[in-house]
Amino acid sequence: LAKTTQPISMDSYEGQEVNITCSHNNIATNDYITWYQQFPSQGPRFIIQGYKTKVTNEVASLFIPADRKSSTLSLPRVSLSDTAVYYCLVGERTGGFKTIFGAGTRLFVKA
Amino acid sequence: EAQVTQNPRYLITVTGKKLTVTCSQNMNHEYMSWYRQDPGLGLRQIYYSMNVEVTDKGDVPEGYKVSRKEKRNFPLILESPSPNQTSLYFCASRPGGTYYGYTFGSGTRLTVV
Repeated sequence: LAKTTQPISMDSYEGQEVNITCSHNNIATNDYITWYQQFPSQGPRFIIQGYKTKVTNEVASLFIPADRKSSTLSLPRVSLSDTAVYYCLVGERTGGFKTIFGAGTRLFVKA
Repeated sequence: EAQVTQNPRYLITVTGKKLTVTCSQNMNHEYMSWYRQDPGLGLRQIYYSMNVEVTDKGDVPEGYKVSRKEKRNFPLILESPSPNQTSLYFCASRPGGTYYGYTFGSGTRLTVV
């Protein structure tokens, strides 16, 4: 499983766009990139998953460059309720079920 | 409502007294998994299951047992709990295929004294 590296924490203000970058230099050909959000004392919540290029859903966008050694989660116009820990995972793939959550990025959104 | 249900939400027990934390999902998911979360250590996978009667160890399986006799249920068993198993536990499930993330339960906060 590829190891991931994310910033430990980030601060932002309401209404701003937030980009959280995750580094995964050893990503394997079959690996997908998945992002989760976790609020205190709650289970993580799946946000978005992608393999390459760009993926967008109603919550976020995920940008993956051609070499796939990093990825960027983009949260448009954050609000106070987006204050949470965001985890980047690499390695969920067909036949592979082990998952490794890193330390995550603690995002704090200020008014 | 599609969900993963864990019980109990909170549990205080004594060292050595066997306990079971139940987990049930109503989404007909193939894959289920148990995690523990500790301050400074993040989420660590204990066991996972690919389908009925198919389970495997995660990163921290010592001191835990699991079983998957039915697709919807994946209980976590602590045969002889110790204080170092005091933690916040999460059960999760997801469907087969490559393009889906896990759905997590609300968590079980276990304290072993």
